[in-house]
Amino acid sequence: SAVISQKPSRDICQRGTSLTIQCQVDSQVTMMFWYRQQPGQSLTLIATANQGSEATYESGFVIDKFPISRPNLTFSTLTVSNMSPEDSSIYLCSVPQGPNEKLFFGSGTQLSVL
Amino acid sequence: AQKITQTQPGMFVQEKEAVTLDCTYDTSDPSYGLFWYKQPSSGEMIFLIYQGSYDQQNATEGRYSLNFQKARKSANLVISASQLGDSAMYFCAMRRPISSGSARQLTFGSGTQLTVLP
Repeated sequence: SAVISQKPSRDICQRGTSLTIQCQVDSQVTMMFWYRQQPGQSLTLIATANQGSEATYESGFVIDKFPISRPNLTFSTLTVSNMSPEDSSIYLCSVPQGPNEKLFFGSGTQLSVL
Repeated sequence: AQKITQTQPGMFVQEKEAVTLDCTYDTSDPSYGLFWYKQPSSGEMIFLIYQGSYDQQNATEGRYSLNFQKARKSANLVISASQLGDSAMYFCAMRRPISSGSARQLTFGSGTQLTVLP
């Protein structure tokens, strides 16, 4: 499977600031996904990062709050903008790989907003 | 719409014993994929095992096996010879057909917290 590097691994941020999370894959992939996991909850898809076009956002998520970049086939960033304590979550990037396009995840970013 | 149900919020197992984590699903798609992931306290999501809806045999990966009962729409994870390092949250997930517009995205269950006792 691909090696998926995600950083930062964790951060503590102040309300009203923004944090950009990076996801680097060691091979080219057509799709990258960003998920959010709120405390004690399951994973929810935020958006699909498409290379060369705007990201596709799921219901309840908007570009102004979670802008995404995908400059090439190995890299993507997710920004959490104007943060509030409700944004405290684990954020994970994921890519489909191999036969049956199994979904593999980065190591995650644990975000705490004070 | 797809739905994944994990009815066991927490499970305990003695070290070296086997444990079954339950997962049921609901979908109208004839073709789909089922996944299990392990999430330790560090937060990463570790892929464990995959089962395709048309696969004839139950999937196995080392100590992990998937008890797939299509008619009952269940995909239970069996962990044999439990180890202390197996203590983690386990998520069942389902994916729609590759051909669909929302392919490769996963719908997750609520998870089961497994604790292995020494």
